[in-house]
Amino acid sequence: ETGVTQTPRHLVMGMTNKKSLKCEQHLGHNAMYWYKQSAKKPLELMFVYSLEERVENNSVPSRFSPECPNSSHLFLHLHTLQPEDSALYLCASSQRTSGTGTDTQYFGPGTRLTVL
Amino acid sequence: GQNIDQPTEMTATEGAIVQINCTYQTSGFNGLFWYQQHAGEAPTFLSYNVLDGLEEKGRFSSFLSRSKGYSYLLLKELQMKDSASYLCAVMDSNYQLIWGAGTKLIIKP
Repeated sequence: ETGVTQTPRHLVMGMTNKKSLKCEQHLGHNAMYWYKQSAKKPLELMFVYSLEERVENNSVPSRFSPECPNSSHLFLHLHTLQPEDSALYLCASSQRTSGTGTDTQYFGPGTRLTVL
Repeated sequence: GQNIDQPTEMTATEGAIVQINCTYQTSGFNGLFWYQQHAGEAPTFLSYNVLDGLEEKGRFSSFLSRSKGYSYLLLKELQMKDSASYLCAVMDSNYQLIWGAGTKLIIKP
């Protein structure tokens, strides 16, 4: 495997289900990101794990919960989602230099999530 | 607030040239990125500008004017495979990427 991989590619879930999205990066990077992409809207940064610190967007509902067990793996745990959470969820990684961060992000293909 | 503006959709002809504009208002500036995203696929990195001027990379070029808060992506000798969305993003003073909504480019034969 190369680059950034995400599983599953497609997910349909009910509002009462619990599921997890998985991301793995094979680039040796030290930062990983979760984004939400809705049709005709800008990418919305949800969570960042960088240099072992988590930075989050305070507007993200608590029904989304990230987990980063090591620098290569990132999960997004989902529970009691709403239909408006249906979107493409993208994972990205980058190599951050402490104090700068002007790094290029490399994206996975995304998980297309539909909440019924 | 922070804002990135780019046209929603553009149409161009195969073999022609197209310019996709991006204007931004952000708290600080640490560079501007352009990404290409084909439908159903990952965004892929095209270019990065942090100094004023033109950066050329094959058929694609990217221009930046920091004083005007303006950038454009220039695509030459358009091919059908260039049909995609083009995303403009600015890194702000907190080193967070602020994204535009993307420009869908349609190439016609």
